[in-house]
Amino acid sequence: DGGITQSPKYLFRKEGQNVTLSCEQNLNHDAMYWYRQDPGQGLRLIYYSQIVNDFQKGDIAEGYSVSREKKESFPLTVTSAQKNPTAFYLCASSIGGPGGQETQYFGPGTRLLVL
Amino acid sequence: GENVGLHLPTLSVQEGDNSIINCAYSNSASDYFIWYKQESGKGPQFIIDIRSNMDKRQGQRVTVLLNKTVKHLSLQIAATQPGDSAVYFCAEPYEYNFNKFYFGSGTKLNVKP
Repeated sequence: DGGITQSPKYLFRKEGQNVTLSCEQNLNHDAMYWYRQDPGQGLRLIYYSQIVNDFQKGDIAEGYSVSREKKESFPLTVTSAQKNPTAFYLCASSIGGPGGQETQYFGPGTRLLVL
Repeated sequence: GENVGLHLPTLSVQEGDNSIINCAYSNSASDYFIWYKQESGKGPQFIIDIRSNMDKRQGQRVTVLLNKTVKHLSLQIAATQPGDSAVYFCAEPYEYNFNKFYFGSGTKLNVKP
């Protein structure tokens, strides 16, 4: 059963704490993405990775970090520097490769709440 | 729900009617568009896409129309069902050296039984 999985579904963060959101895909996609979704707004790109061991900042990377050590995994860490972390976080992947636009497929999301 | 649809434009239709959801895009050079459906508390689901060399593309119960002259995109859903209730948004590319998109905030579709 191919697809993108995210865990946990809900995550609670205390003040000053770093938390890590998991994203795994078995679609054999090269490219992976992290987005943040706030109520009534469009998705905003946090980080993206075109290939293993490489990633770039998106539009709102401050307070976040990522790694891409394996093709199938792209975890996102929300650091204590992110002052407004409460949001719905979405991971996506696409086939990847140079040029051209292609469909991004999304995981089920993780809702992060601050205690 | 998870507040995904908060403060969004809303379209209410009767079950069995056709729905039309609109999207305006900004860049006349944009050449690829995607429609997504997002149910409350869930991740977006791909519905249909269209490239700029086409004016119309049909899927199962859905049709996307592209009017490049006025930079307008529409999603038509035939015989709308209660399961179609969700937020629908379009995606437009905004960077051409990589697969980056601008995602609209969407329209909430309510289907009345």
